[in-house]
Amino acid sequence: GQNIDQPTEMTATEGAIVQINCTYQTSGFNGLFWYQQHAGEAPTFLSYNVLDGLEEKGRFSSFLSRSKGYSYLLLKELQMKDSASYLCAQTGANNLFFGTGTRLTVIP
Amino acid sequence: GAGVSQSPRYKVAKRGQDVALRCDPISGHVSLFWYQQALGQGPEFLTYFQNEAQLDKSGLPSDRFFAERPEGSVSTLKIQRTQQEDSAVYLCASSQRWTGAGEQYFGPGTRLTVT
Repeated sequence: GQNIDQPTEMTATEGAIVQINCTYQTSGFNGLFWYQQHAGEAPTFLSYNVLDGLEEKGRFSSFLSRSKGYSYLLLKELQMKDSASYLCAQTGANNLFFGTGTRLTVIP
Repeated sequence: GAGVSQSPRYKVAKRGQDVALRCDPISGHVSLFWYQQALGQGPEFLTYFQNEAQLDKSGLPSDRFFAERPEGSVSTLKIQRTQQEDSAVYLCASSQRWTGAGEQYFGPGTRLTVT
């Protein structure tokens, strides 16, 4: 694997902002993905970072620091439907290496 | 357009049975991937096809696992003599990129339970 590390669980309040962190192995880095996965469903693409900096897409933003081997996913104006697992994945030569995922629970 | 589809969605097999899981990728996608996802874990890579060529099968856990994509579209993952540790969700993904370094579109998965 690629030693991808992310918190197992997080809880946040509806309407708030939450940041989900991910660290990865910097050797052989080709890009970093964030996917959302609702229970029993397929992972769906959220974002892709290959250069340093922040990529904003509506309520979701993703940040990358290649020198630190660090990324985060920022979710703003949380909604109940955002309760899901968020998977950080590093690009390998022929596949994606996934972390275990962060299960986010949004509470009223 | 249609996304990645997989069948069956659920499969229960007795230990020792053979199973075959099917994946229909997005039409025209060159690359196809199989992943295994245990409960509470992220997907783990099994194998990768570029058209009909299986370029990487390093993630297949044993020689009981076999995958094919004979015409470069539909793929089948076969597991022989299933064991309880094979119980997991098997995800298929496809990509229009010619390498693994691109956005992958996932199917809903097949949940395999071995009893």
